[in-house]
Amino acid sequence: DADVTQTPRNRITKTGKRIMLECSQTKGHDRMYWYRQDPGLGLRLIYYSFDVKDINKGEISDGYSVSRQAQAKFSLSLESAIPNQTALYFCATSRGSRYQYNEQFFGPGTRLTVL
Amino acid sequence: AQKITQTQPGMFVQEKEAVTLDCTYDTSDPSYGLFWYKQPSSGEMIFLIYQGSYDQQNATEGRYSLNFQKARKSANLVISASQLGDSAMYFCAMREGRVSGGYNKLIFGAGTRLAVHP
Repeated sequence: DADVTQTPRNRITKTGKRIMLECSQTKGHDRMYWYRQDPGLGLRLIYYSFDVKDINKGEISDGYSVSRQAQAKFSLSLESAIPNQTALYFCATSRGSRYQYNEQFFGPGTRLTVL
Repeated sequence: AQKITQTQPGMFVQEKEAVTLDCTYDTSDPSYGLFWYKQPSSGEMIFLIYQGSYDQQNATEGRYSLNFQKARKSANLVISASQLGDSAMYFCAMREGRVSGGYNKLIFGAGTRLAVHP
């Protein structure tokens, strides 16, 4: 079973619609992240969360909001989707700062298309 | 300023040969970490290898090794004995600051697409 899951895996929607992307993890990690990937730009951080009570904006948070419902769940919302939010979205998790690498573990991604 | 630069948008290599994927970085923090991730066509991001700024030796992980040249601020990924399954996008990423210092975001490069030819 996957440690980090994302639903839906693919979504096509129309401009102006509200969309929620969900992420769940069974790794027991405290930290969770949302990224978007655009061709030629690598991954860019949208929001991150240290724990349920801690939510922080990343470099491209405009037009997005998040909710950390539990340690294992972190949702990303697009309140009113626009075409330039068409991208591949990744959820990631990591352990706390006391771990040497603190590498991030990624979900399978959600491909979102806004028409 | 761009912090992670991958200058090779695409590379190809013959099966069983070695290939080097370039990555240069820019930071003024003496403590940092460098990561390489693989993204196959299926889309998932797979962690490959890590190098800490204070590590004395270059990191190795199976067929992957990291050619870390601190003075040049480069952290090139070397894949030995390439396999067809190595065809993918490869991303270099940097974490600034000590891991114990709190939140350390990852900054990603734009990626290099590697094609392994039979």
